[in-house]
Amino acid sequence: DIQMTQSPSSLSASVGDRVIITCRASQSINSYLNWYQQKPGKAPKLLIYAASSLQSGVPSRFSGSGSGTDFSLTISSLQPDDFATYYCQQSYNIGTFGQGTKVEI
Amino acid sequence: EVQLVESGGGLVQPGRSLRLSCTASGFTFGDYAMSWVRQAPGKGLEWVGFIRSKAYGGTTDYAASVRGRFSISRDDSKSIAHLQMNSLKTADTAVYFCTRRRWEIIRGYYYYYMDVWGTGTTVTVSS
Repeated sequence: DIQMTQSPSSLSASVGDRVIITCRASQSINSYLNWYQQKPGKAPKLLIYAASSLQSGVPSRFSGSGSGTDFSLTISSLQPDDFATYYCQQSYNIGTFGQGTKVEI
Repeated sequence: EVQLVESGGGLVQPGRSLRLSCTASGFTFGDYAMSWVRQAPGKGLEWVGFIRSKAYGGTTDYAASVRGRFSISRDDSKSIAHLQMNSLKTADTAVYFCTRRRWEIIRGYYYYYMDVWGTGTTVTVSS
């Protein structure tokens, strides 16, 4: 099975900060990497698919990059609505998730 | 409005069975693969399995943790997907989300992602 490892597990940031979350796959997954945002008590929301494609309706401050085994999600200027937990997910083979990164104030 | 609504969750004893349903609206259900994802209390997301559309054989794939115990089916005439859970364990306690699995061709490759999610239904396995 492909293992997905996110870092950090949590981070503290302020409004306006640039935030970068990384995700590493245990083997090459080309660009088969998605990012989701989840707020407490809510369903996850798709942000980025195919490593760098922005889902319709998602603000442009979110961006994704990477290929092979190393990927990142960048929030260019953190907004109050962005405090949430973020998950990467590989879609190369079935659909393993990373363990999540909680972005706190 | 595109929407998924899960139902069927509840309290069940270990070893028993439960069937969850996912009712879709706002899109042509039969054109899409459907997935199930779960989240144990205070934990991260775990992909459970999915069923392809009939155009791609309607076949299924499952996570190792549920393979042989869980099965997914679909009724395109009613726009419903089911998750049949047998031999339940306390470790299966979670919120279960139904999702629409979509694909897109980018630079000649098929990329898959879950673009629509239900609100989830809670399954508690306890004696």
